[in-house]
Amino acid sequence: KNQVEQSPQSLIILEGKNCTLQCNYTVSPFSNLRWYKQDTGRGPVSLTIMTFSENTKSNGRYTATLDADTKQSSLHITASQLSDSASYICVVSRMNYGGSQGNLIFGKGTKLSVKP
Amino acid sequence: ETGVTQTPRHLVMGMTNKKSLKCEQHLGHNAMYWYKQSAKKPLELMFVYSLEERVENNSVPSRFSPECPNSSHLFLHLHTLQPEDSALYLCASSRQGDTEAFFGQGTRLTVV
Repeated sequence: KNQVEQSPQSLIILEGKNCTLQCNYTVSPFSNLRWYKQDTGRGPVSLTIMTFSENTKSNGRYTATLDADTKQSSLHITASQLSDSASYICVVSRMNYGGSQGNLIFGKGTKLSVKP
Repeated sequence: ETGVTQTPRHLVMGMTNKKSLKCEQHLGHNAMYWYKQSAKKPLELMFVYSLEERVENNSVPSRFSPECPNSSHLFLHLHTLQPEDSALYLCASSRQGDTEAFFGQGTRLTVV
């Protein structure tokens, strides 16, 4: 069964601290994996995309990793800021489906709260 | 802003009402989608329109009726909804064949 599991479900950290969010998937055949950030009351916004051949990719203070062998991805946030408070959603795309949105598998997200 | 605009942002409706949600994008995308986001559940894809033609309908009850008059506009017509239909409804668009979705801010729907 194609599934995306994220952990932890929620996380509270102090401003300035680092944190790592996890995503495990059983989606096959794998095409790519995206991390989205969803602020409260807003739609998700793509942070980064990881393809099969990529291990690490950074976008500012966000660093995503992908281990295609173990089917795991992580999102590391460095020097957290209050504005990082949001839900982070892991989305895995299946291959050879013409890019249809119908073949995106969404995780439930991790709710991150950054406290001053 | 992502370039995808949804109205209204909030909607409260009775179970016997009829209402419509509107989505608009001017990104030049040719595929549009409706998602439902309920508390503590992953986003659920409801409908997919590609080149103004409905290509997917994920077993959504008939009380939800989509309409895509052109590639820039998408509607979701609602009638005789149930309280369990209360959720955040998100519209998204993309280029056909691209896996990145650009989401609107959503409509928070409450059915009373």
